[in-house]
Amino acid sequence: AQSVTQLDSHVSVSEGTPVLLRCNYSSSYSPSLFWYVQHPNKGLQLLLKYTSAATLVKGINGFEAEFKKSETSFHLTKPSAHMSDAAEYFCVGYNFNKFYFGSGTKLNVKP
Amino acid sequence: SAVISQKPSRDICQRGTSLTIQCQVDSQVTMMFWYRQQPGQSLTLIATANQGSEATYESGFVIDKFPISRPNLTFSTLTVSNMSPEDSSIYLCSVVGRGEGASYNEQFFGPGTRLTVL
Repeated sequence: AQSVTQLDSHVSVSEGTPVLLRCNYSSSYSPSLFWYVQHPNKGLQLLLKYTSAATLVKGINGFEAEFKKSETSFHLTKPSAHMSDAAEYFCVGYNFNKFYFGSGTKLNVKP
Repeated sequence: SAVISQKPSRDICQRGTSLTIQCQVDSQVTMMFWYRQQPGQSLTLIATANQGSEATYESGFVIDKFPISRPNLTFSTLTVSNMSPEDSSIYLCSVVGRGEGASYNEQFFGPGTRLTVL
């Protein structure tokens, strides 16, 4: 079975410090992987995607993620958090015409 | 990319009634999905809306409760039938397509319909 696991339900960082949101996938085949962000009362926005072209993927707003097959991970990082990054983040896998959502990680950014 | 609109954007309904949510896409798409996002939760796939045939429902969701229509490649409806307060959620329509110049599929989401059942 395919699945995506987000290891932290909540992450809290101070503004200006690095962000790490963790995601592991379980799949018999290398899936496509995505990170989406959802701001309060807003729709889902695509941050970045991995589709086997390059293992280090750069997205919008300074976010990036690295696909590590040996660790079956696709963690999302940002060098310096901004207050506007406070939102919920979803790691999503795609395989065989189906999308698999992680449970989400709420990012809190303290001033 | 695909631009998706949903109607209504929000509604407050009485227990026992039904609500039909519309999803309109600005281009023809093969794959269209309906999701539910309960308060504070992740997205749960309800069903895949198939054009010209019955929708494919995920475990825990049935056609009698969530009938879906897909009359063409740009439009679908989801009805939430005989509602109870447990149905209070955001319902999202989603399609799969290719971004401009892309060689892979990605998922585009509608803005969602926020449903409150009293």
